[in-house]
Amino acid sequence: RKEVEQDPGPFNVPEGATVAFNCTYSNSASQSFFWYRQDCRKEPKLLMSVYSSGNEDGRFTAQLNRASQYISLLIRDSKLSDSATYLCVVSGGSYIPTFGRGTSLIVHP
Amino acid sequence: NAGVTQTPKFQVLKTGQSMTLQCAQDMNHNSMYWYRQDPGMGLRLIYYSASEGTTDKGEVPNGYNVSRLNKREFSLRLESAAPSQTSVYFCASSDQPKEGNIQYFGAGTRLSVL
Repeated sequence: RKEVEQDPGPFNVPEGATVAFNCTYSNSASQSFFWYRQDCRKEPKLLMSVYSSGNEDGRFTAQLNRASQYISLLIRDSKLSDSATYLCVVSGGSYIPTFGRGTSLIVHP
Repeated sequence: NAGVTQTPKFQVLKTGQSMTLQCAQDMNHNSMYWYRQDPGMGLRLIYYSASEGTTDKGEVPNGYNVSRLNKREFSLRLESAAPSQTSVYFCASSDQPKEGNIQYFGAGTRLSVL
């Protein structure tokens, strides 16, 4: 079983829709959790960190469920510019983060 | 502030040729990483350097060597390129442990081995 799993999608949604992605992780000792965004043929960039209490940044909300070992990303009022691949990243106490394979989002007019 | 800079951006090699991918960061980060990304495979760690003077193997180190030249620079060398090494290579750095291992990436090197 891969350590970090994501539904590859693609999620195909109209502008203005709300869409949610989940990511499950296998290492219960994981300490840090992140969502990255990767545009086609570009480098991944940090979208937001994920905290136990949940956190929000504008239209984006991230949540962590340690008991069930998953993190989620909710995007409200989707924009065309949100089209990208969203990578889930989990890190323990070591120097090595583990990346999921990503979930593809396509927002259409 | 350039962040993480990778050179070259594109490279075409013939099987058996060697080359070095360069990476430099100006954020004074201790940790640096090399990843490869292939379609459907996600990012896979090749080598990392937790701090200046140390390097360790990641998930897919075979066929590669690395050098942490100083705190700023971390290079990746392909001694005898193979078609299986055709990929996009990303260098990253992090301020581990201060930022919980947030990774800052370079723009990538697109390598084709014929």
